[in-house]
Amino acid sequence: KNEVEQSPQNLTAQEGEFITINCSYSVGISALHWLQQHPGGGIVSLFMLSSGKKKHGRLIATINIQEKHSSLHITASHPRDSAVYICAVNPDNDMRFGAGTRLTVKP
Amino acid sequence: KAGVTQTPRYLIKTRGQQVTLSCSPISGHRSVSWYQQTPGQGLQFLFEYFSETQRNKGNFPGRFSGRQFSNSRSEMNVSTLELGDSALYLCASSQTPGAFGYTFGSGTRLTVV
Repeated sequence: KNEVEQSPQNLTAQEGEFITINCSYSVGISALHWLQQHPGGGIVSLFMLSSGKKKHGRLIATINIQEKHSSLHITASHPRDSAVYICAVNPDNDMRFGAGTRLTVKP
Repeated sequence: KAGVTQTPRYLIKTRGQQVTLSCSPISGHRSVSWYQQTPGQGLQFLFEYFSETQRNKGNFPGRFSGRQFSNSRSEMNVSTLELGDSALYLCASSQTPGAFGYTFGSGTRLTVV
């Protein structure tokens, strides 16, 4: 079993829909990252969370440390949100990654 | 300010050769970490350097090595290349090790033929 599990693997949405991507992990961590990877490979760090909730524009990330679960929400989705979203955790001073969720937002 | 710069962007090497990839961190960032991304294994941590010292190493064979210079620039080296080493190699920098808000470079896409 992977230490970091993401769901769903693939997600297709219509423009304007509310999107949720989930991440569960089985290791002790001090923080969790949400990353965005566009075609071509470049990775952007969206959020770092150690507790509670963070919001940036249309993106919201939440984490429940006790339940070892995090969610990334996108409100009013747009085709430019199409990317792979990756959850990563920091145990033992390295990084463990989920397999990613491929999001396609159709106009 | 300039982002994390990785060179080269693309590289084709022959099996058995060695390769060196370069990563220049954001100015002021002293920690550099390296990752390998393949379709089969996804993203995997290779190693992290801080102040010219390797702090952590992922589960990769000794053919994968790295170093960091006094200006925080880092290189990684893969010797005796295998077909399975074909991957996107990403580096990320941060101000302190294990710090949050890693900033990633665009990666070097290595193809081993």
